[in-house]
Amino acid sequence: GEDVEQSLFLSVREGDSSVINCTYTDSSSTYLYWYKQEPGAGLQLLTYIFSNMDMKQDQRLTVLLNKKDKHLSLRIADTQTGDSAIYFCAEKSAGNTPLVFGKGTRLSVIA
Amino acid sequence: GAGVSQSPSNKVTEKGKDVELRCDPISGHTALYWYRQSLGQGLEFLIYFQGNSAPDKSGLPSDRFSAERTGGSVSTLTIQRTQQEDSAVYLCASSLITGGPGNTIYFGEGSWLTVV
Repeated sequence: GEDVEQSLFLSVREGDSSVINCTYTDSSSTYLYWYKQEPGAGLQLLTYIFSNMDMKQDQRLTVLLNKKDKHLSLRIADTQTGDSAIYFCAEKSAGNTPLVFGKGTRLSVIA
Repeated sequence: GAGVSQSPSNKVTEKGKDVELRCDPISGHTALYWYRQSLGQGLEFLIYFQGNSAPDKSGLPSDRFSAERTGGSVSTLTIQRTQQEDSAVYLCASSLITGGPGNTIYFGEGSWLTVV
């Protein structure tokens, strides 16, 4: 089946930029998503990008997509302690298919 | 409702008992999904509904797991004869449709199941 891979942990200092990377295998992906999960909470949609785009910026968040390499990244500028959470990458194929998620990257922000 | 609502939020059950988890999706959302998140694991897809029908049940881990959806709204996930490995957070999500542009999936806060 399709697969989404992420590194499991990332630690950054407050004020630095964080870059969370994701690779996927489905060449027919139409949309790619980033979700955030804070401790004890459900998943919150952060942003998504259509597969024919290569960049999307939304305030402190920048999503880069390299479709050729099937590589997606999420950059968080000026990372704050409130950004500490698990970040999930997910991809959506065409048609009536559910999202396929990675295992999540746990971001720790050190004050 | 305003968001996806799940109940119970926490459930502790004895091994061998049956449990029912409930999901109330966002009003008007035709697609409903169940995922499972085990400690240290990603999100494992279980099943999704388009209306009341379930086109893809491939993720259900065993025949002890079943789900239904009635009236195109509320869904229940039933786990029979629970085992300790069933302990996880069961997340429900809904979306307006399953395909097409701009589809966005909204998650509930999950039902934390502990089997002792």
